[in-house]
Amino acid sequence: QSALTQPRSVSGSPGQSVTISCTGTSSDVGGYNYVSWYQQHPGSAPKLVIYDVSKRPSGVPDRFSGSKSGNTASLTISGLQAEDEADYYCCSFAGTLYVFGTGTKVTVL
Amino acid sequence: EVQLVESGGDLVEPGGSLRLSCAASGLTVSIAWMSWVRQAPGKGLEFVGRIKSKTDGGTADYAAPVKGRFTISRDDSKNTLYLQMNSLKTEDTAVYYCATVTSGRIAYWGQGTLVTVSS
Repeated sequence: QSALTQPRSVSGSPGQSVTISCTGTSSDVGGYNYVSWYQQHPGSAPKLVIYDVSKRPSGVPDRFSGSKSGNTASLTISGLQAEDEADYYCCSFAGTLYVFGTGTKVTVL
Repeated sequence: EVQLVESGGDLVEPGGSLRLSCAASGLTVSIAWMSWVRQAPGKGLEFVGRIKSKTDGGTADYAAPVKGRFTISRDDSKNTLYLQMNSLKTEDTAVYYCATVTSGRIAYWGQGTLVTVSS
């Protein structure tokens, strides 16, 4: 199972919006509505921010939103804040196991 | 509150074996679907494997790079998940996270334990 493709990095100024894409295939992203997104700060464990394509766990700000079209999922962070600077990984169910994306570093300028 | 605490990470020579533990509180591992995820230094996340709850059969599945070498198991009396790693290779060097996997999401993560495979 190949890793899902994400851009290496994206950046934005405080208050702006950034969108991270996550491209897979019909065997993973396109085949299931089990796409999730994780935020990881340096030295810390990943944290779930979006699941089931577009649902937010309790406690995650509504600045985080998710969507999917075909084999590509997206995470949008609106109203970017300094604490949003981190690595972000998408993840999709792939029939038996899960596959992660390559990861995107979000930089707040 | 769910807490997962991994232990057992160490420096081991290529070809060696190691067993990682994940002590759980706030959930019962026997009725949970649990997984191991690893992250090589400076690299991305990689799904290692998953074990189903006992009620769903209790079987485990593994990613291709570790299949046949790694085994996931649990001790219900200790509410602990394990990852037995055999025939270790240098490319297995990583931080290993224990996590719950439910309905398409990995909701709870441990803090990770570092495994270094080197001579």
